[in-house]
Amino acid sequence: DAKTTQPPSMDCAEGRAANLPCNHSTISGNEYVYWYRQIHSQGPQYIIHGLKNNETNEMASLIITEDRKSSTLILPHATLRDTAVYYCIVRAGGTSYGKLTFGQGTILTVHP
Amino acid sequence: ETGVTQTPRHLVMGMTNKKSLKCEQHLGHNAMYWYKQSAKKPLELMFVYSLEERVENNSVPSRFSPECPNSSHLFLHLHTLQPEDSALYLCASSLLGPSTDTQYFGPGTRLTVL
Repeated sequence: DAKTTQPPSMDCAEGRAANLPCNHSTISGNEYVYWYRQIHSQGPQYIIHGLKNNETNEMASLIITEDRKSSTLILPHATLRDTAVYYCIVRAGGTSYGKLTFGQGTILTVHP
Repeated sequence: ETGVTQTPRHLVMGMTNKKSLKCEQHLGHNAMYWYKQSAKKPLELMFVYSLEERVENNSVPSRFSPECPNSSHLFLHLHTLQPEDSALYLCASSLLGPSTDTQYFGPGTRLTVL
């Protein structure tokens, strides 16, 4: 699976949009981009995933560049409860089971 | 609430004890996973069960013994652990599909080995 690069930490003001970048320049054509987050000492929470097109759900939006070498997770109106470690993971599709390789992620701190 | 439950949530055990961690998923999934998260380290995949068969074992010491009696339940049997095995143990499940599958995690068991 392709490796990802994320900034170690980011800050965001409450109520503002949080834009978390991820670089995956070696991504292959059949690899998906997944985002999870982990609030302190809890299990990771699935946020969103995509292959080529931009995706949106009730939690966030995922913007993938046309060359697929980078993506941005957008939390449109960040709250204090969005403070967490955010993981960008690239994993191959078409396999018999999921294999997620977690890196260090981005620590997002939402402040009042 | 993700539909994946784990018990116990906290466990303290001595090095000579035998204990088991339990995971149950209520999502109709057919693949289950054990991960380990040590302090300040990324999650590490330990075991994968696909359709109740173990399909991956990432060089995990034999003092960790997984069991998957059916597609809804997963156990991790522990014996003669070491203090460095203290960590957060996470269970996940997914529904295998033709293109990709999404893993959903339980809340984890915080294990302390004395």
